Amino acid sequence: KAGVTQTPRYLIKTRGQQVTLSCSPISGHRSVSWYQQTPGQGLQFLFEYFSETQRNKGNFPGRFSGRQFSNSRSEMNVSTLELGDSALYLCASSLSRDRGPDTQYFGPGTRLTVL
Amino acid sequence: DAKTTQPPSMDCAEGRAANLPCNHSTISGNEYVYWYRQIHSQGPQYIIHGLKNNETNEMASLIITEDRKSSTLILPHATLRDTAVYYCIVRVPEKGTSYGKLTFGQGTILTVHP
Repeated sequence: KAGVTQTPRYLIKTRGQQVTLSCSPISGHRSVSWYQQTPGQGLQFLFEYFSETQRNKGNFPGRFSGRQFSNSRSEMNVSTLELGDSALYLCASSLSRDRGPDTQYFGPGTRLTVL
Repeated sequence: DAKTTQPPSMDCAEGRAANLPCNHSTISGNEYVYWYRQIHSQGPQYIIHGLKNNETNEMASLIITEDRKSSTLILPHATLRDTAVYYCIVRVPEKGTSYGKLTFGQGTILTVHP
């Protein structure tokens, strides 16, 4: 079974621009979560989508948004980019069972550089 | 959320067992212990998880103490490719959802040397 895929893998933008990142989950997985990883803050949770609805949200400004499509694919958008948004953005998918924890499987990430 | 404490770094000789400790003294009864690892600039890789009992899979073994206040991840025969940051995470159930987000700490940098 194919793993989580993320596109693009690398991206360079300038301050003030916006960016859209894409994530395709493992087939059959219904939940998609996004994380940001920076050297200073480590790995931080952005948000989780399930059945096209945001189910959980981390402590990030409104410039960070996302959505999920009916096929479970997800996109995240960052508007008005700042230098501090330079990071590795990771997507993780899971089955999202009704009981018990669901194991999240990560994609390779998108490396965003803001100049 | 139940917090975890891990040593910042550890060394291991290739071919030997790597034992990575994790302290989670405030863990509650329905909170699971998960382990992930991250090789430089790649996405985190799931290793193993457990609730009360010891667990083993093709990658590693997880030993959880009887009081559940600590655990140890064991890589039985470490190789150079096991050099990575290892994260111990306690999964907390969240109302109305499944077990929600993963909260990553700083992890343990494991260096396997020849």
